[in-house]
Amino acid sequence: AQSVTQPDIHITVSEGASLELRCNYSYGATPYLFWYVQSPGQGLQLLLKYFSGDTLVQGIKGFEAEFKRSQSSFNLRKPSVHWSDAAEYFCAVGLMIYNQGGKLIFGQGTELSVKP
Amino acid sequence: DGGITQSPKYLFRKEGQNVTLSCEQNLNHDAMYWYRQDPGQGLRLIYYSQIVNDFQKGDIAEGYSVSREKKESFPLTVTSAQKNPTAFYLCASSIVSGASTEAFFGQGTRLTVV
Repeated sequence: AQSVTQPDIHITVSEGASLELRCNYSYGATPYLFWYVQSPGQGLQLLLKYFSGDTLVQGIKGFEAEFKRSQSSFNLRKPSVHWSDAAEYFCAVGLMIYNQGGKLIFGQGTELSVKP
Repeated sequence: DGGITQSPKYLFRKEGQNVTLSCEQNLNHDAMYWYRQDPGQGLRLIYYSQIVNDFQKGDIAEGYSVSREKKESFPLTVTSAQKNPTAFYLCASSIVSGASTEAFFGQGTRLTVV
């Protein structure tokens, strides 16, 4: 069955430090991959997405992610974290189900805390 | 402004009662979705709809019902059959129903059973 795994439930980084959030997926074909961010009590906002082509994709707020087929990974990175980046981050895979349409499968989420 | 509106933001329900969560979008999107969010479990799909008058069960549909009578609206009813309804509910929409289409999310409704 298709699945998305985010191994880290909670990560704490210092402001100005680099960040990498891990995401692994289980899917037979080339997946459609997304990263979303959620502030407390709010909805989700799309950071970036990968469909095909260049495996390094750029997103909003200075985030980027790299698709590695050999490792079934789509890790999110940011060179220098700001206090406003504290939030929960979700990795997702887009699936197409025959005769039922498309849907997103989400990982469990990684909560990011930023130390001053 | 275009977007997705969920109401109410907070909802309290007594045990044994049905309750309906509203989701309206003015993005002219064909597809709409309902997700449930619990701490440490990510988002789990309850129901989704590709077009008007059609919807599909997601991974955790038991105890929930939906309707899609209008393109703009996709209300979710949490029935008394849902044994653990306390959660954060998110509605989303996308232009079309496809694996590659970005979903746009509402601000959520927090349901608490009292």
